[in-house]
Amino acid sequence: DVKVTQSSRYLVKRTGEKVFLECVQDMDHENMFWYRQDPGLGLRLIYFSYDVKMKEKGDIPEGYSVSREKKERFSLILESASTNQTSMYLCASMRGLWDEKLFFGSGTQLSVL
Amino acid sequence: GQQLNQSPQSMFIQEGEDVSMNCTSSSIFNTWLWYKQDPGEGPVLLIALYKAGELTSNGRLTAQFGITRKDSFLNISASIPSDVGIYFCAGQNTGNQFYFGTGTSLTVIP
Repeated sequence: DVKVTQSSRYLVKRTGEKVFLECVQDMDHENMFWYRQDPGLGLRLIYFSYDVKMKEKGDIPEGYSVSREKKERFSLILESASTNQTSMYLCASMRGLWDEKLFFGSGTQLSVL
Repeated sequence: GQQLNQSPQSMFIQEGEDVSMNCTSSSIFNTWLWYKQDPGEGPVLLIALYKAGELTSNGRLTAQFGITRKDSFLNISASIPSDVGIYFCAGQNTGNQFYFGTGTSLTVIP
């Protein structure tokens, strides 16, 4: 089974802190994604990566950056956390751009106070 | 980014009842997908649809790819308590471009 692991289930941070959300997949997938999930808004794409060191902006990249130094790991960085970034963050991976099966992690619920 | 219109937003049903939900878009898609998210977990793929008019089943779940390619439907027959969760539709055209519905929250009353 594909396993996508997010390092934290719950995080509480203060406004202005730098926050790192880590995601690791064990299936040698090419593509990795970070989504944000808010009630009534569904899933919105923040960033995705189709290869090591490659990244593309999604629909809501403002206030976020990403890092993919190794194929299995994709990190989401909040340079200076703000209260409007309180949300559920979901990491996902996919075998290749020809595929349609996204595999999601369990999510990180981030609260910024 | 584009969002899909998913309805209903929430449903409260008795165990054993059938459930229907749908998703519509202003754009056409090549693939329609249905995901379920259990409380405290990430979404899991239930059904993938690849062709207009296609009807696909997965156990008690049946999904259809609309003829216009702008909509999709999910039906759950004889609901059970473990069907509780949030159901998301998603449309995909190429590679990374997934567009998700706003979700249908399902509560099953024993």
